[in-house]
Amino acid sequence: AQSVTQLDSQVPVFEEAPVELRCNYSSSVSVYLFWYVQYPNQGLQLLLKYLSGSTLVKGINGFEAEFNKSQTSFHLRKPSVHISDTAEYFCAVTSGSARQLTFGSGTQLTVLP
Amino acid sequence: DAGITQSPRHKVTETGTPVTLRCHQTENHRYMYWYRQDPGHGLRLIHYSYGVKDTDKGEVSDGYSVSRSKTEDFLLTLESATSSQTSVYFCAISERAVPYGYTFGSGTRLTVV
Repeated sequence: AQSVTQLDSQVPVFEEAPVELRCNYSSSVSVYLFWYVQYPNQGLQLLLKYLSGSTLVKGINGFEAEFNKSQTSFHLRKPSVHISDTAEYFCAVTSGSARQLTFGSGTQLTVLP
Repeated sequence: DAGITQSPRHKVTETGTPVTLRCHQTENHRYMYWYRQDPGHGLRLIHYSYGVKDTDKGEVSDGYSVSRSKTEDFLLTLESATSSQTSVYFCAISERAVPYGYTFGSGTRLTVV
């Protein structure tokens, strides 16, 4: 069985500061990892994904994430956040044998002026 | 959310009544999913479909049924609505068996009173 833990439910940060949203996963097989963003009253949008290859993955809106197999982590980072980055962020995992994504509980990122 | 629409967007219903939510796609994707989103739980899979008339249960399927008689439509039915089913319901579609990234609908906010 696969699972995802997002270690922080809320992350407040000042505008133009760096941010890291943490995600750890558990799976007994090779995994594929995703970050999604949800703006208020909207559905989820794909930010980035790790399928294979380079462990540093770049996504939209200046976000990037690093796959660390030894630490079973896939943390999301941005060097300088904007007010418009305020949203909820979800980490998700799947594997070759699965047919669906398993999501974490979400991290609310609030960017303060 | 181009290519995927959910209806209704909002619904209030009474305990004990049946409710059907509709997901419609124009992408001709084989895989369709129903998730519910609740604070502190992220998204949890209710049911999914891997083709016409082919469906399977997710982790929170009790009290829900689904049907898929056409590629483009995936219906979620609450057989007898309860207050614990008050939630935001999201439909998602995927082209491949191992999700390389879902496309989500805008969600249906259901309130059971």
